[in-house]
Amino acid sequence: DGGITQSPKYLFRKEGQNVTLSCEQNLNHDAMYWYRQDPGQGLRLIYYSQIVNDFQKGDIAEGYSVSREKKESFPLTVTSAQKNPTAFYLCASSIVPRLQRPTNEKLFFGSGTQLSVL
Amino acid sequence: LAKTTQPISMDSYEGQEVNITCSHNNIATNDYITWYQQFPSQGPRFIIQGYKTKVTNEVASLFIPADRKSSTLSLPRVSLSDTAVYYCLVGAGLDTGRRALTFGSGTRLQVQP
Repeated sequence: DGGITQSPKYLFRKEGQNVTLSCEQNLNHDAMYWYRQDPGQGLRLIYYSQIVNDFQKGDIAEGYSVSREKKESFPLTVTSAQKNPTAFYLCASSIVPRLQRPTNEKLFFGSGTQLSVL
Repeated sequence: LAKTTQPISMDSYEGQEVNITCSHNNIATNDYITWYQQFPSQGPRFIIQGYKTKVTNEVASLFIPADRKSSTLSLPRVSLSDTAVYYCLVGAGLDTGRRALTFGSGTRLQVQP
């Protein structure tokens, strides 16, 4: 089955610790995204990547880092600099349109990782 | 980026039609309008997408006026399982040089029996 897989489903972080959330997709999509969702709130963009070895900061990138060494993988590291990391993290992917035309982009989401602080 | 505005919440009863309107005054020429549905502790899933006029699929209809500054998601005969948060999303568009899809706060729909 084609899809986007996030792991682990639940993750606990100790103070001062870095943790990495995994996101893998086998949809052959160019673009990948990380969103953060706090309870009862909408999705906020952390980082996104349109192509391998390139990524851009979203609205709330401070305290997070990413890499895009492979097209299929876009891991997110929550660093110790992120003082309030408890949230639901969602990874998504999409095809990047190549032509100058209306961009009918569609996001495919993983099932999310719930990160909590011990 | 095109910013979107939706009602924070809506209530309905089973069997009724629900219309959720999204405002996107600065939508770009190349932007499609896409709606997503999210259940608790799950990732959002695609419902419907359109560029102009009306689009209909097996679960919803999307109405877009000629000026494209708003759109309305229509859910016919809702059931309890339609209780969820609905997001309206407008893409960055190739002409902006960026591709960052920003979600608004969404509309929380509560369907009562």
